[in-house]
Amino acid sequence: DVKVTQSSRYLVKRTGEKVFLECVQDMDHENMFWYRQDPGLGLRLIYFSYDVKMKEKGDIPEGYSVSREKKERFSLILESASTNQTSMYLCAGDSGLNQPQHFGDGTRLSIL
Amino acid sequence: KNEVEQSPQNLTAQEGEFITINCSYSVGISALHWLQQHPGGGIVSLFMLSSGKKKHGRLIATINIQEKHSSLHITASHPRDSAVYICAVREYGNKLVFGAGTILRVKS
Repeated sequence: DVKVTQSSRYLVKRTGEKVFLECVQDMDHENMFWYRQDPGLGLRLIYFSYDVKMKEKGDIPEGYSVSREKKERFSLILESASTNQTSMYLCAGDSGLNQPQHFGDGTRLSIL
Repeated sequence: KNEVEQSPQNLTAQEGEFITINCSYSVGISALHWLQQHPGGGIVSLFMLSSGKKKHGRLIATINIQEKHSSLHITASHPRDSAVYICAVREYGNKLVFGAGTILRVKS
């Protein structure tokens, strides 16, 4: 069975901390994505990557960065966490156009 | 105006009812996706379609490319169908654009 795995289901951090969210996939997907999901706003794309060491900004990249050193791993970094980054974060991967995206279970991040 | 609009936002049904969720979009697309998210859970892809109709069990998805509209139907609804249903479109690129979701609750 194909898997996209996020390292934590729940995470609590403090304002100003540097936060790492990890995502690993075993499906050989070229494309990987980080979204945040907030009530009433749906899923919004933060960053995506279409190849190792390649990244592109999504719709809301401010305050975030990403790293893709290996094909199977895509990390989301909050450089200096703020309370407005409290959200559900979802990682996904796919193998290109007209292929379904496979999602991780999500990380519910609280910034205090 | 959002590129992807879903209706209704919330839907409560009795077990056994036929349910329809609608999705309208305003851009040219290569494919449309219907996704399901259970409370506290991850997101599962239900359908991906670019024309016509697809069926899986009690779920049916249709798309009308000319009218830029898609519907998700659930026949003989059951409480386990309670979830958030999300419509997403793939423009001619790598990104998906998502609707805000429809919260469905099926009562027994």
